[in-house]
Amino acid sequence: AQSVTQPDIHITVSEGASLELRCNYSYGATPYLFWYVQSPGQGLQLLLKYFSGDTLVQGIKGFEAEFKRSQSSFNLRKPSVHWSDAAEYFCAVGATDTGRRALTFGSGTRLQVQP
Amino acid sequence: EAGVAQSPRYKIIEKRQSVAFWCNPISGHATLYWYQQILGQGPKLLIQFQNNGVVDDSQLPKDRFSAERLKGVDSTLKIQPAKLEDSAVYLCASSFFLSGGQYNEQFFGPGTRLTVL
Repeated sequence: AQSVTQPDIHITVSEGASLELRCNYSYGATPYLFWYVQSPGQGLQLLLKYFSGDTLVQGIKGFEAEFKRSQSSFNLRKPSVHWSDAAEYFCAVGATDTGRRALTFGSGTRLQVQP
Repeated sequence: EAGVAQSPRYKIIEKRQSVAFWCNPISGHATLYWYQQILGQGPKLLIQFQNNGVVDDSQLPKDRFSAERLKGVDSTLKIQPAKLEDSAVYLCASSFFLSGGQYNEQFFGPGTRLTVL
């Protein structure tokens, strides 16, 4: 079974600073990889996804993520953080070898943005 | 396009009581998921439907949880009787179905926050 680890529970950055959120996964093959954002009282919104091909993927709101097979990682980055980016971020994996389409989520990283 | 609708948004009950949550997916989405999100954790799948059939309910506590999607559209998740540890946000998500092992984006509703006292 697959699993996801997000080592950072809480991160604080200053507005305008760069951001990197870490995600490591465990899976026997190359999984499908996702990053979602959840604002208070809101549902999850997809930021970006990796299925295959170019290992650097671009998403909405200026986010990007890089898949590194050798490190089993899929870290999320943004060059300049805005106050509106404060939210909880979840990394998720999807199995590629079963009929299931449900996602396995990490425990999340809460991002706080200082003015 | 209307998103995934869920109701109620909040529910407070006492332990051993029953509760039901409702989800209306995006029109045309054949796949529907229920996730449980306990505070401080990521969402965990409870059950996945494909039209009105169950694809995966391996993590559903079937002694107290049940779910149905009788006409392949709306879905109801029920807990009977509730326990303190059921306090969580219950998220419904839906997606188009793609054959051939392909994924499609899951769209999430706002969730129902359940507090069991």
